[in-house]
Amino acid sequence: DAGVIQSPRHEVTEMGQEVTLRCKPISGHNSLFWYRQTMMRGLELLIYFNNNVPIDDSGMPEDRFSAKMPNASFSTLKIQPSEPRDSAVYFCASSLGQTGLKNIQYFGAGTRLSVL
Amino acid sequence: KQEVTQIPAALSVPEGENLVLNCSFTDSAIYNLQWFRQDPGKGLTSLLLIQSSQREQTSGRLNASLDKSSGRSTLYIAASQPGDSATYLCAVISGNTPLVFGKGTRLSVIA
Repeated sequence: DAGVIQSPRHEVTEMGQEVTLRCKPISGHNSLFWYRQTMMRGLELLIYFNNNVPIDDSGMPEDRFSAKMPNASFSTLKIQPSEPRDSAVYFCASSLGQTGLKNIQYFGAGTRLSVL
Repeated sequence: KQEVTQIPAALSVPEGENLVLNCSFTDSAIYNLQWFRQDPGKGLTSLLLIQSSQREQTSGRLNASLDKSSGRSTLYIAASQPGDSATYLCAVISGNTPLVFGKGTRLSVIA
């Protein structure tokens, strides 16, 4: 398996524009996670899905952020409208499940977002 | 609310030295604890997972220990190498929440 695949790897956009980040989890994994990483705040969980259903979105900073998982092999994180403070590295991760060794999360390489 | 702290924030050691990275968490009712490695510009790689019923896990030169009662974990790296240079993150799962991460320790191993 190629691992968790994220696209694009880098995104530069202007304030106010819509940004869509994409993630393909590892085949067979039932849980998917979106994280944001900044120097100041470290790695923060934004939202996670089990079996394509959003379970906890309490980490989503504002209504400008939304995430979908239309099927088991694809998820998007959308920011509309984007702001400079959204600049960060966004990671997607997947795991087999939520218990025991199934908890082990596998991370994608991340999308580095710069909002000018 | 679970909080995870890692000390030190950065560490520089000469090649060959044994070293210990520290992680502490505020809520001892955890399900498991994971140690990750992150290389610059890259994602995270899981190194070791310790379940709440375990006290330690070993993988090669790495050994992670867990003391739930004191809310602490350590990652021991034996005979450090320049290739070990990276940021090491500790994360815990407790209650119904998924991973809560520390801010990491940035390790530099000098040849």
